[in-house]
Amino acid sequence: DIQMTQSPSSLSASVGDTVTLTCRASQGISNNLAWFQQKPGKAPESLIYAASSLQSGVPSKFSGSGSGTDFTLTISSLQPEDFATYYCQQYDTYPLTFGGGTRVEIK
Amino acid sequence: QLQLQESGPGLVKPSETLSLTCTVSGGSISSSFYYWAWIRQPPGKGLEWIGSIYYRGSTYYNASLESRVTISVDTSKTQFSLEVISVTAADTAVYYCARHGTRRRVATMLPSYMDVWGKGTTVTVSS
Repeated sequence: DIQMTQSPSSLSASVGDTVTLTCRASQGISNNLAWFQQKPGKAPESLIYAASSLQSGVPSKFSGSGSGTDFTLTISSLQPEDFATYYCQQYDTYPLTFGGGTRVEIK
Repeated sequence: QLQLQESGPGLVKPSETLSLTCTVSGGSISSSFYYWAWIRQPPGKGLEWIGSIYYRGSTYYNASLESRVTISVDTSKTQFSLEVISVTAADTAVYYCARHGTRRRVATMLPSYMDVWGKGTTVTVSS
């Protein structure tokens, strides 16, 4: 199975900050990577697929990059609604696997 | 707009069978472009993919659960279902259904990204 490792597991940031989250795959997955945002008590919502393509309706403050084993999600100009947990997920092959998540908290 | 809705008992006794259904509305469950998946999230923990099914019935399962899990589809009802047998407290979680794409590489069907999720349903295993 492909293991997905996210870092950091949590971070504190202020409104207006730009933050970068990291996701690493245990083997190369090309660009077959998605990012999800999950708020407490809610289902995950798709942000990015193919490592860098924004889902319809997702603001351009979210950007993804990477290929192979190393990926990043950057969130610019953090707003209160952006404080949430973010998960990466590989879909290069079965079984589908998720990272452990990065919780973005308000400083 | 495609919507998914999970339904089923919120409380299951240990050693019994957990059964959930996901109803698909606003779109076709019989599309050749998609698989239909179950994912779960134990309290305070991350996401775990359980398995996926194609409208024709072909399935992929997480090996860690495969011996206890069955996913089935009923296209006439636009529903797909999850059964987990012999449940324990470790199966307590929020269960989500979702749609993900599929792509072909030579003769192999590979997954693609998830784009639509249900709101989730909480299942507690307790006597």
